[in-house]
Amino acid sequence: GESVGLHLPTLSVQEGDNSIINCAYSNSASDYFIWYKQESGKGPQFIIDIRSNMDKRQGQRVTVLLNKTVKHLSLQIAATQPGDSAVYFCAEKGETSGSRLTFGEGTQLTVNP
Amino acid sequence: NAGVTQTPKFQVLKTGQSMTLQCAQDMNHEYMSWYRQDPGMGLRLIHYSVGAGITDQGEVPNGYNVSRSTTEDFPLRLLSAAPSQTSVYFCASRRTDSGANVLTFGAGSRLTVL
Repeated sequence: GESVGLHLPTLSVQEGDNSIINCAYSNSASDYFIWYKQESGKGPQFIIDIRSNMDKRQGQRVTVLLNKTVKHLSLQIAATQPGDSAVYFCAEKGETSGSRLTFGEGTQLTVNP
Repeated sequence: NAGVTQTPKFQVLKTGQSMTLQCAQDMNHEYMSWYRQDPGMGLRLIHYSVGAGITDQGEVPNGYNVSRSTTEDFPLRLLSAAPSQTSVYFCASRRTDSGANVLTFGAGSRLTVL
């Protein structure tokens, strides 16, 4: 399944499927991007990050893809599990924004057993 | 390590009351910050600090005060609470050396202003 945009959509997938969560950013000067996972009632937790000099970075079951041409970021989760159910946020940091991260609104991922 | 600890987890206030949300971290992080999270609006930066004695405003600072007397603590003060300040508040910290961008978040403090 896929989701698009910075508004809070809901993405529902079956356990074992791959998930793709998308994020569009507006600042062409952004040089750092990060994905967070937030479970219900908890604070955001770091998943994976990527710098603008890369277009792909892989972690454990997760891959982040960066397309600077169209200012698009995606998070791919392989073999999605019920424990992956959460809200996923992308955030960007521009060259001129100092120490500030700008967060998107999040995507609610629901994994059905 | 406890990480980032926030207290209280829940609080109900009446309009005009004051209170302080506490935040403490034991990771010796120089940078600390406060965000509020509202439905459909993501995380918005209220105030931040790059070290003891230094604070600065974020995106939505009005109605909030902060201070940073120690590296470990970064309290957020509401001097006269308003219903618009009903939200979930998150404290976050990180190092400030080159390449240190990953924020560690606390579990959040849910505030309701009646």
